[in-house]
Amino acid sequence: GIQVEQSPPDLILQEGANSTLRCNFSDSVNNLQWFHQNPWGQLINLFYIPSGTKQNGRLSATTVATERYSLLYISSSQTTDSGVYFCAGYNYGQNFVFGPGTRLSVLP
Amino acid sequence: EPEVTQTPSHQVTQMGQEVILRCVPISNHLYFYWYRQILGQKVEFLVSFYNNEISEKSEIFDDQFSVERPDGSNFTLKIRSTKLEDSAMYFCASSEASPLETQYFGPGTRLLVL
Repeated sequence: GIQVEQSPPDLILQEGANSTLRCNFSDSVNNLQWFHQNPWGQLINLFYIPSGTKQNGRLSATTVATERYSLLYISSSQTTDSGVYFCAGYNYGQNFVFGPGTRLSVLP
Repeated sequence: EPEVTQTPSHQVTQMGQEVILRCVPISNHLYFYWYRQILGQKVEFLVSFYNNEISEKSEIFDDQFSVERPDGSNFTLKIRSTKLEDSAMYFCASSEASPLETQYFGPGTRLLVL
């Protein structure tokens, strides 16, 4: 099945800093999503982005499907951005596979 | 905005007991899913459900587990004879017409087996 890697595994930032999170897939995917898991455990949809670039406020994401990776950019980070960020991908005949996550801590 | 809901938010059960976790997917969605997340680990796919039958399932989803859509709105996950290692957060999700579309996740049910 698809293998998903995320980097870095942990990230500590000062409030206001920018960051880039990366997700690599071992095979091509037809559905790719980014999620934020907040401290209460809820999975919040950030982006559905099988290809191309999207922006939502301080967050943006880019997926280069031909090279099997996706990037999540967080600008001007805030303490409320803290949590775990997961990417997940799906392909025909395979399950929706999550990466191991990047744990982000934004310090005031 | 429509959302996936799950009940209960927390459940504590004794080892060997049966539990039923409930989900109400988004109303016009046709695909439903269950995932689990053991504490500190990544989210794992359990099963997908479409047109009143299982579409795909993982190796985790063995005979101990079953899913059902008992009526037009609810989607349930039954875990028989619970084990300590079943303790996890269980997420329900739904998508409109295909697993290739955005999957929307519920808030989860935290299950603790003692």
